[in-house]
Amino acid sequence: KQEVTQIPAALSVPEGENLVLNCSFTDSAIYNLQWFRQDPGKGLTSLLLIQSSQREQTSGRLNASLDKSSGRSTLYIAASQPGDSATYLCAAGQGGKLIFGQGTELSVKP
Amino acid sequence: DGGITQSPKYLFRKEGQNVTLSCEQNLNHDAMYWYRQDPGQGLRLIYYSQIVNDFQKGDIAEGYSVSREKKESFPLTVTSAQKNPTAFYLCASSIVAGNEQFFGPGTRLTVL
Repeated sequence: KQEVTQIPAALSVPEGENLVLNCSFTDSAIYNLQWFRQDPGKGLTSLLLIQSSQREQTSGRLNASLDKSSGRSTLYIAASQPGDSATYLCAAGQGGKLIFGQGTELSVKP
Repeated sequence: DGGITQSPKYLFRKEGQNVTLSCEQNLNHDAMYWYRQDPGQGLRLIYYSQIVNDFQKGDIAEGYSVSREKKESFPLTVTSAQKNPTAFYLCASSIVAGNEQFFGPGTRLTVL
């Protein structure tokens, strides 16, 4: 059974710092990996989708990488801003479904 | 505007009552999903539908029921058999099952 883990559960950084969020999965037979952002009390906003054949995807200050063989994905946020404060969730696509990690709560201090 | 709408935003239920959460999309997506989120936890899949008139149980389907009579709509009923229904419920859709999923704003259900 696929298990997705995100470490750390919470992270606090000063504004302007570059940071990396980690996501690991136990079964490498995934067809994609999706990163989401969730603000308190809100739905999920899709940030990046990496297909299993890809190594990375970029959108603005965000870069996500995927290493299926090691069961890992990272989300790199450059030059963090207070507006980046939110919970970030990763999800592994498998069998027509997404299996979610528990999220990393990010706080960017001005 | 294309998107996914969920209603109501907040819902209160007395014990023993069934309630139905609405999810509508105008993205022309074939697949739709219902998730439950509890505080400090990731999302868990309740039910999903890959096409009209078809749906499958997810990981936590007990105490829930769904229907998919129209492509645009995927309502979720929380029955009295669900012992701990207080949670945040999220609906999502994708062009086909396995593609990028897009989410609605959620419904917060509280049992009084």
